Amino acid sequence: AQTVTQSQPEMSVQEAETVTLSCTYDTSESNYYLFWYKQPPSRQMILVIRQEAYKQQNATENRFSVNFQKAAKSFSLKISDSQLGDTAMYFCAFLRNNNNDMRFGAGTRLTVKP
Amino acid sequence: ETGVTQSPTHLIKTRGQQVTLRCSSQSGHNTVSWYQQALGQGPQFIFQYYREEENGRGNFPPRFSGLQFPNYSSELNVNALELDDSALYLCASSLSQRNEQFFGPGTRLTVL
Repeated sequence: AQTVTQSQPEMSVQEAETVTLSCTYDTSESNYYLFWYKQPPSRQMILVIRQEAYKQQNATENRFSVNFQKAAKSFSLKISDSQLGDTAMYFCAFLRNNNNDMRFGAGTRLTVKP
Repeated sequence: ETGVTQSPTHLIKTRGQQVTLRCSSQSGHNTVSWYQQALGQGPQFIFQYYREEENGRGNFPPRFSGLQFPNYSSELNVNALELDDSALYLCASSLSQRNEQFFGPGTRLTVL
């Protein structure tokens, strides 16, 4: 079974600084998708970034980028120039290519301090 | 473009009761997935509906059931409620089974 591990329950960062959230996963599949979702206190889950496993290039979305290490089964999220609005729970998620059962990690609570 | 909506926002039930939660998918989306998110945990996949048929199910007992309607809106029904069913229930819609999922705000269910 696929499992997703986020080893940092809580993190904090000063506004304008950079922070990296860790995620590892366990799978024997070669084709899959990885996601980072953000869940602010208002609780609506928002997709931050996605990565297809067959793509070697790391995905980037404005201030958000990932470091995808397929062999190490690692998928970290880097947030540059952190903003107060980045304060939220961040979930790493895994989806097999031929499946619809998205697996989430336990989440990392990120606080951006002014 | 209307996003994913869920109703009700909050719900309180007692053990043994039945509950129905509703989800309206984003315009044009034909796939709806339901998740249970217990406090302090990540969401867990309950099941998915694609074009009105169940299209995959997670590790949840049969008392969790669902429906999808021709307009692609969906219901989650839970029978014989247990205390452990207290959670945030999230609905997500997508264009197909494996496209990006857009989440609704969730329904907070409390079972007393």
